Amino acid sequence: DTGVSQDPRHKITKRGQNVTFRCDPISEHNRLYWYRQTLGQGPEFLTYFQNEAQLEKSRLLSDRFSAERPKGSFSTLEIQRTEQGDSAMYLCASSRGTSGGVGYEQYFGPGTRLTVT
Amino acid sequence: GQQLNQSPQSMFIQEGEDVSMNCTSSSIFNTWLWYKQDPGEGPVLLIALYKAGELTSNGRLTAQFGITRKDSFLNISASIPSDVGIYFCAGYFAGGTSYGKLTFGQGTILTVHP
Repeated sequence: DTGVSQDPRHKITKRGQNVTFRCDPISEHNRLYWYRQTLGQGPEFLTYFQNEAQLEKSRLLSDRFSAERPKGSFSTLEIQRTEQGDSAMYLCASSRGTSGGVGYEQYFGPGTRLTVT
Repeated sequence: GQQLNQSPQSMFIQEGEDVSMNCTSSSIFNTWLWYKQDPGEGPVLLIALYKAGELTSNGRLTAQFGITRKDSFLNISASIPSDVGIYFCAGYFAGGTSYGKLTFGQGTILTVHP
């Protein structure tokens, strides 16, 4: 399978704990995105990497959220001191670089479902 | 900020019927994408549109990029039970600090009765 993979698929944690999620993009894609999706809503953009550079992080929900892509391949999303409101599906997507107006097609992974108790 | 209004919110149809849904925006987009999401899974890309007025098909699915660049439409012909799911439109604006951000609609929940 050469699609986007995410690990774990499900995470249950107690309020106040830290959690980290991993995303492995499609191998030839240099762009990686994180989204959050709550029940009944469409995905909400969080942050974006081109190779290892994080070009947009202002939409991360608070300073408790951070993301890395140290070698321009896989990425991690960490949430510190989790709160019940952090319960959601966290989605990762990847895409090629753009060329001639195309390349904005983002391919999503299966997501990580976080439940904070 | 940019917002997408997707309608209808839900549809209940009989197998074999055609389906239409649409998405409108308060501002223009350069790219429109349509996704389908099954419960507990990530969205799956169905169709990508890059030019105003463009009409693109993928099997029984046809989507159009509105000429005003503020709307898009998705049609499904001869629906089958496996079409059940949530359909999302998403727009991309290539300017400013958009940095790859897709803006999603709220989704259309499709139920197909055999």
